[in-house]
Amino acid sequence: KAGVTQTPRYLIKTRGQQVTLSCSPISGHRSVSWYQQTPGQGLQFLFEYFSETQRNKGNFPGRFSGRQFSNSRSEMNVSTLELGDSALYLCASRQSGLRTDTQYFGPGTRLTVL
Amino acid sequence: QKEVEQNSGPLSVPEGAIASLNCTYSDRVSQSFFWYRQYSGKSPELIMSIYSNGDKEDGRFTAQLNKASQYVSLLIRDSQPSDSATYLCAVKDGGTSYGKLTFGQGTILTVHP
Repeated sequence: KAGVTQTPRYLIKTRGQQVTLSCSPISGHRSVSWYQQTPGQGLQFLFEYFSETQRNKGNFPGRFSGRQFSNSRSEMNVSTLELGDSALYLCASRQSGLRTDTQYFGPGTRLTVL
Repeated sequence: QKEVEQNSGPLSVPEGAIASLNCTYSDRVSQSFFWYRQYSGKSPELIMSIYSNGDKEDGRFTAQLNKASQYVSLLIRDSQPSDSATYLCAVKDGGTSYGKLTFGQGTILTVHP
């Protein structure tokens, strides 16, 4: 089975711009979560989508949003970029079910905001 | 605010030794616990998952869980230089079927020849 894929792998944007990141989960996985990783804050949960609905949301401002499509692919959007949004954005997919909580991470998108 | 704390690093062990990584968590109803390994510049890779009290072994790795003490650990036996990485403890939120993970800050492990 192919793993989680994320595009693009690297992005450079300037303050005030917006960005859209894409994630394709492992085939058969219906849950997609997004995380932000920075040296200072570590890995932090952004949100989770399951069946095209946001099921959980972390403590991030409304500039961070996401969506999920009927094929389980997900996108996240960050509007009005700030320097502090520079981070590795990780997508994780999960096959829901009893004792199948395991999340598998994609390679990430490295976002640099100048 | 649910928290996950890992023993402060970095941790340095000689090749062939046992590396011991520890983690405590605050969410008393959590039922699912994970250890991820992250090499520099890469994404986290799952090493172990554990759901029941006691030990779970997989090759050179053993995860230990004590829910009463809210404590999870990872032992790496016969440590190899290729084990040098950051190890992340992750705890899934309890009381929900959804998958939010709370991560510890990570422990940097260096295995020297």
